[in-house]
Amino acid sequence: QQQVRQSSQSLTVWEGETAILNCSYENSAFDYFPWYQQFPGEGPALLIAIRSVSDKKEDGRFTIFFNKREKNLSLHIKDSQPGDSATYFCAARPYNNNAPRFGAGTKLSVKP
Amino acid sequence: GGIITQTPKFLIGQEGQKLTLKCQQNFNHDTMYWYRQDSGKGLRLIYYSITENDLQKGDLSEGYDASREKKSSFSLTVTSAQKNEMAVFLCASSPDSAETLYFGSGTRLTVL
Repeated sequence: QQQVRQSSQSLTVWEGETAILNCSYENSAFDYFPWYQQFPGEGPALLIAIRSVSDKKEDGRFTIFFNKREKNLSLHIKDSQPGDSATYFCAARPYNNNAPRFGAGTKLSVKP
Repeated sequence: GGIITQTPKFLIGQEGQKLTLKCQQNFNHDTMYWYRQDSGKGLRLIYYSITENDLQKGDLSEGYDASREKKSSFSLTVTSAQKNEMAVFLCASSPDSAETLYFGSGTRLTVL
């Protein structure tokens, strides 16, 4: 069973729009939530991350909104660009070990 | 900076064959991981290792063995390849906190 769930396998937006990628989890032991970006033929790379003590983390056009009570989070990509087209993985790391779990990924396409 | 090198990039095997995938890192990280990436299922943790000669099972360890004989290398063995093994295997390393995983570009396994 997937410990981290991403609600959409794919998402298409137009250039300039805000893309919203959703993620949820069940395990209360998770305390750190990174998002990874993967381009074809490459390994995933860390994009942005949030700790469970925060409800928002912003880095340029990328923002994570986190709801600890509901056990969900979302990644907002403002002013989406065609170069943002990639697969985005939500991940979660438990406080008591070093083994992050990943969601199934959302493939984002940004149309010019 | 450092790099994760996975060899081979492409591996073709026969059903029932024992196959070994290799991973090297020069970050001097303590923790290393093997994940399997299947389309639509995201990244699933097979094994990880928090130090030389340590092995920890992930969520998908059945059918695999791993070996961490040196801090810089972590190998994965598919003990008996099955046709449904066709996937990309990703190796990663991280500092102790596991807040950022650094991934290699993967080994694509095809079983005939």
